[in-house]
Amino acid sequence: EAGVAQSPRYKIIEKRQSVAFWCNPISGHATLYWYQQILGQGPKLLIQFQNNGVVDDSQLPKDRFSAERLKGVDSTLKIQPAKLEDSAVYLCASRSKGQRDHYEQYFGPGTRLTVT
Amino acid sequence: LAKTTQPISMDSYEGQEVNITCSHNNIATNDYITWYQQFPSQGPRFIIQGYKTKVTNEVASLFIPADRKSSTLSLPRVSLSDTAVYYCLVGLISGGYNKLIFGAGTRLAVHP
Repeated sequence: EAGVAQSPRYKIIEKRQSVAFWCNPISGHATLYWYQQILGQGPKLLIQFQNNGVVDDSQLPKDRFSAERLKGVDSTLKIQPAKLEDSAVYLCASRSKGQRDHYEQYFGPGTRLTVT
Repeated sequence: LAKTTQPISMDSYEGQEVNITCSHNNIATNDYITWYQQFPSQGPRFIIQGYKTKVTNEVASLFIPADRKSSTLSLPRVSLSDTAVYYCLVGLISGGYNKLIFGAGTRLAVHP
């Protein structure tokens, strides 16, 4: 089974520019998550989708961050405009709804963003 | 969501058993305890999950006392490749809703 795919793997932009990240979850996984991981810290949940609906975006800085999952499969996370403090790894994860043997999220490799 | 506390770092040697303890005093009745492992430049990877008593899989064991206010991840006979950050998470799992709150984790360094 293919894992969670993310692109690009690395991105360098200047502050005030915009950037977009793409995620393709594991086939059939209804739940998709975006996390931000700053160096030396644990991942912080930004937004959670159930199919194409938002379940939780309480920690998403909505003035500059946006995310969508239009067809309930792929998702994009956008930052516009970027700030220096947005430098981090952006992780996408997915999970199959109703998975009851254990509740496991599958993470992609992440996109490392550097804002200069 | 219950807050977790775990050591910032630990050191061990190849072949030893490593036990990482996590405290979660405010764990709720419906909360599960989950451990993830993260290598540099990779996303976290699920290790083990439990609700009470003991859970064992091919990678690790998870010990949870009766009061569930703490848990211990046990890694038998660690190798250099077990050097990673280990996260203890506690959270409500209900149907399709599975929210994980990551702390800073425990950085395990395994030495030859």
